[in-house]
Amino acid sequence: ETGVTQTPRHLVMGMTNKKSLKCEQHLGHNAMYWYKQSAKKPLELMFVYSLEERVENNSVPSRFSPECPNSSHLFLHLHTLQPEDSALYLCASSQQTGEPEQYFGPGTRLTVT
Amino acid sequence: DAKTTQPPSMDCAEGRAANLPCNHSTISGNEYVYWYRQIHSQGPQYIIHGLKNNETNEMASLIITEDRKSSTLILPHATLRDTAVYYCIVRVFNTGNQFYFGTGTSLTVIP
Repeated sequence: ETGVTQTPRHLVMGMTNKKSLKCEQHLGHNAMYWYKQSAKKPLELMFVYSLEERVENNSVPSRFSPECPNSSHLFLHLHTLQPEDSALYLCASSQQTGEPEQYFGPGTRLTVT
Repeated sequence: DAKTTQPPSMDCAEGRAANLPCNHSTISGNEYVYWYRQIHSQGPQYIIHGLKNNETNEMASLIITEDRKSSTLILPHATLRDTAVYYCIVRVFNTGNQFYFGTGTSLTVIP
């Protein structure tokens, strides 16, 4: 138990659906992150938030839309995804951006059909 | 944008020390070495980090060569629960630069 929770743990969606992934951290951290982990590929950083402000967006397609309403919650809104977007989506937090230790949630396994 | 090279896989007997190497020959003077691991079906977990001195914590030891071009993560008494993918990452400390994970080393601890 890392103090970072993610829901749902598994999600199957069609290409025309809209869904959202939720992340919550109970650590009092100020920075939150979304990562994507595809099969046989390195972990990819998608978005970084610091005190609810997006500070990094690594060329992620617009069909992925992050939202950070407060420093404890982070969402990833999904719409018109492609099958190649199927992956494990991981949320992480740290005290500040750049801290050595990031705490990761268990991830959401997404399958796009 | 990984700047490190690690062997893709390693085996280690349970109870023995696991020594995981990492090459980072282009490391800059202000870049630290970080180690994370990812157990199957879980998110990555921080292990340890260092600049040039050897470091030890309750999980592992980190040995960095004098020229800083390589390092070794040591798990002193490997258990089956240490089976995971281990990532070596170099990054400037605490500047907001983010972690870029490579493909790591898949360590299997054998009973």
